[in-house]
Amino acid sequence: DVVMTQSPLSLPVTLGQPASISCRSSQSLVYSDGNTYLNWFHQRPGQSPRRLLYKVSNRDSGVPDRFSGSGSGTDFTLKISRVEAEDVGVYYCVQGTHWPGTFGQGTKVEIK
Amino acid sequence: EVQLVESGGGLVQPGGSLRLSCSASGFIFSTYAVHWVRQAPGKGLEYVSGISRDGGTTKYADSLKGRFTISRDNSKNTLYLQMSSLRVEDTAVYYCVETAGGYWGQGTLVTVSS
Repeated sequence: DVVMTQSPLSLPVTLGQPASISCRSSQSLVYSDGNTYLNWFHQRPGQSPRRLLYKVSNRDSGVPDRFSGSGSGTDFTLKISRVEAEDVGVYYCVQGTHWPGTFGQGTKVEIK
Repeated sequence: EVQLVESGGGLVQPGGSLRLSCSASGFIFSTYAVHWVRQAPGKGLEYVSGISRDGGTTKYADSLKGRFTISRDNSKNTLYLQMSSLRVEDTAVYYCVETAGGYWGQGTLVTVSS
C-alpha cells in the first residue's frame, strides 16, 4: 500500500500567521490518465471531514482562498496564508491514485 | 451533487452483528473503489475496509481478523459493511469514503455496549 506521511503531526499557529503542512507519498501519485488524485480534508472537532482541495490544488466551493495546495509526484503541501480561528482541527491528505486509497496520519492545527 | 449517505448504525451488544449501508449518488458509483473508515470517540481515523469498483478485490484492516465483510451492489449504488462478533472497541463513527474524488459521507455511529 502507498504510505502517506504527514508532517508535522501537531501545528500550533498564531492567528493571522501562515501555516504549512507537508504530505509525502511512498510512490508517485500520478495516475495513468495524467491526473494526481491527492485530496486534502479538514475535520473540525465533532464534525465529519470536509474536503478542501482535490487533485492537489483545486479548491472546493466555499473554501476560502487563503487555502492553497501544491506539489507533484510524491511531495505535496497544504498552505494557509493567514490562519483564522475557524481553521483549527485536523487536516488529512488522502490519495486515490493507487488501490487501496490511503490516508495520512493527520495534522492537528491549534491556536497558540 | 455527489453524496454518500451512511445508515444502519446503532446500539448493539457485544458479540452482536450490524450491517451498515452507504448510498451513493451524483457520480458513477461503479467506476470507483470505495472504503469504510472509522473514528472512535476522541480518536483519529482508522482504515476499516475497501472494495474495488467491480467488487473483485477487497482489503481489510489486520485488526478486524475476519469479523467484517465489505460488499457492494453497483446496480443499487450501495456499499455495505457486515459487522459481526462486535466488540466494545468497535464503537466509532463509520464513514463511507471515495478516495480518488475525495468524497466523504457524514458517518453513522455504531455503539457496542451492554
